[in-house]
Amino acid sequence: DIQMTQSPSSLSASVGDSVTLSCRASQDISIYLAWYQQKPGEAPNLLIYGAFSLQSGVPSRFSGSGSGTDFTLTISSLQPEDVATYYCQKYDSAPLTFGGGTKVEI
Amino acid sequence: QVRLVQSGAEVKKPGSSVRISCKASGGTFRGYDVNWVRRAPGQGLEWMGGTIPIFGTTNFAQNFQGRVTLGADEFTNTRYMELSSLRSDDTAVYYCAGSSGRGGLDVWGQGTTVIVS
Repeated sequence: DIQMTQSPSSLSASVGDSVTLSCRASQDISIYLAWYQQKPGEAPNLLIYGAFSLQSGVPSRFSGSGSGTDFTLTISSLQPEDVATYYCQKYDSAPLTFGGGTKVEI
Repeated sequence: QVRLVQSGAEVKKPGSSVRISCKASGGTFRGYDVNWVRRAPGQGLEWMGGTIPIFGTTNFAQNFQGRVTLGADEFTNTRYMELSSLRSDDTAVYYCAGSSGRGGLDVWGQGTTVIVS
């Protein structure tokens, strides 16, 4: 099975900073990659699909890039409400594996 | 957009089974591939199984093969997930989630807490 590895596991940044999260697949998954945000006590929320397509209603400060095995999620200007854990997920084929997550703090 | 409403919290004994329901509100499951995901305390998201977008096949994570059963009641717009042979490490919040086909899981239930003790 393809493994998904996220880095770093956690980070702390200041309001207004640009933040980049990484996700690596152990094999080529083309652009079948989604990013989710999960805040404490809430269900996950889809941010990005197809590696770089912004889900409707998601602020434009979130962007995704990459293809094949290396992907990034960028938050261009970190806001207090962005405190959350972020997960990537592959969906090219089963199993639909999640990465281990990156916890973002202010 | 459809909302997914899950059943309430459960406390179960080891070795028993739990059945969680996921009801579509404001629409139906037509056009959605339903999957189940859990998050154990202190852990990340774990995909359990469901209908794979693009392919339309139903698959399960190896950890859950033989222990998870999925069901549907089209009259009540409800999907079910039953997990058997419960262990203490099955204590988690369980989510149903749907994919409308563009990619990823774009609609989620509120989560159901299951405690095995």
